[in-house]
Amino acid sequence: ETGVTQSPTHLIKTRGQQVTLRCSSQSGHNTVSWYQQALGQGPQFIFQYYREEENGRGNFPPRFSGLQFPNYSSELNVNALELDDSALYLCASFPAGGADTQYFGPGTRLTVL
Amino acid sequence: QKEVEQDPGPLSVPEGAIVSLNCTYSNSAFQYFMWYRQYSRKGPELLMYTYSSGNKEDGRFTAQVDKSSKYISLFIRDSQPSDSATYLCAMSRTGANNLFFGTGTRLTVIP
Repeated sequence: ETGVTQSPTHLIKTRGQQVTLRCSSQSGHNTVSWYQQALGQGPQFIFQYYREEENGRGNFPPRFSGLQFPNYSSELNVNALELDDSALYLCASFPAGGADTQYFGPGTRLTVL
Repeated sequence: QKEVEQDPGPLSVPEGAIVSLNCTYSNSAFQYFMWYRQYSRKGPELLMYTYSSGNKEDGRFTAQVDKSSKYISLFIRDSQPSDSATYLCAMSRTGANNLFFGTGTRLTVIP
């Protein structure tokens, strides 16, 4: 069974740029969530996708957007990057309906200069 | 007030000690409670999962949930240096959806 994978591992951008992060769900999982983890903090929920539709969102502005593809892989897009967007971005997946918890990928570390 | 509060530590213990990690929460709608372990620069790894109140044991790890007090705990017996990591509590209202995390407690087990 393949776990959750994310790419790239590390990324450096400058303020105002746009970034796309990618995630491949664990085999058999059709729901994906994205989290932002600032240094020294717990992960914070950004949004969740099921059947290619966003079906839950945390307290993040619209410049954070996402996509889910028919193969359940996913992208997180962030526009107009700000310094505070520097964080570890985590993708998690689970099968909808009856899942008890989520399974996380290794994360993408984004640094905004 | 944050929905989930967790003492960030850091916590240092000698090898073999019993470790107690705790979280409190304010939302009585939380029904699902988890503990994740996170090594430096890695994603969280699920350790324990509990539904509603009660205890659950898995090897050296025991999770306790007291919904009346809105308090959850993770106990680690016979702690090992390999247990050195950040421990995150997480909880949700509806199973796997939208997890709320604590800030994490950084644990170091000294050989």
